Amino acid sequence: AQSVTQLDSQVPVFEEAPVELRCNYSSSVSVYLFWYVQYPNQGLQLLLKYLSGSTLVESINGFEAEFNKSQTSFHLRKPSVHISDTAEYFCAVSEGNGPASKLTFGTGTRLQVTL
Amino acid sequence: DTEVTQTPKHLVMGMTNKKSLKCEQHMGHRAMYWYKQKAKKPPELMFVYSYEKLSINESVPSRFSPECPNSSLLNLHLHALQPEDSALYLCASSQAPIPYNEQFFGPGTRLTVL
Repeated sequence: AQSVTQLDSQVPVFEEAPVELRCNYSSSVSVYLFWYVQYPNQGLQLLLKYLSGSTLVESINGFEAEFNKSQTSFHLRKPSVHISDTAEYFCAVSEGNGPASKLTFGTGTRLQVTL
Repeated sequence: DTEVTQTPKHLVMGMTNKKSLKCEQHMGHRAMYWYKQKAKKPPELMFVYSYEKLSINESVPSRFSPECPNSSLLNLHLHALQPEDSALYLCASSQAPIPYNEQFFGPGTRLTVL
């Protein structure tokens, strides 16, 4: 069975500083990896995803994540954060031969950006 | 149209009430999902519909009854709920029930059971 671990429940950071949100997964088969962001009182929005090919994936708002198969990780990074990046970030995994599109989410990391 | 809509935004109901949550998408997606999200927790999958048929039920209590009348619409019928069922209920859809398809989420219905 697949599982996702986000070790950091909260990450406080100053504006314009770099940030890394950690995500590790466990699966016995090939996986597809996703990062979703949830702003207060809203649903989830896809930030970026790894399906295959280049292990470095980027989003349109400056986030990037690198798939590392040997370390079973998919950490999210941004070189310079903005106040508007304050949100809850969920890493999720979907197994290659799983039923339907069954996402398993990590427990989430609250990114708090302050001035 | 690239959004999933959910109504109502907020719902307060007593334990003896019957109510329904509605979800709609017009992206031609053939997989639709219900999730339950408690405060400060990740979403938990409840049901998956693939091509209007229920394909996954994550052992959800029978007081939650899903319905997919057509490919654009997904309902969640609620009856005799408990206070611990209070949560944000999220609907999502994907192009097909395939593991690598992105899921698009609605804004959710915040349910309070008194």
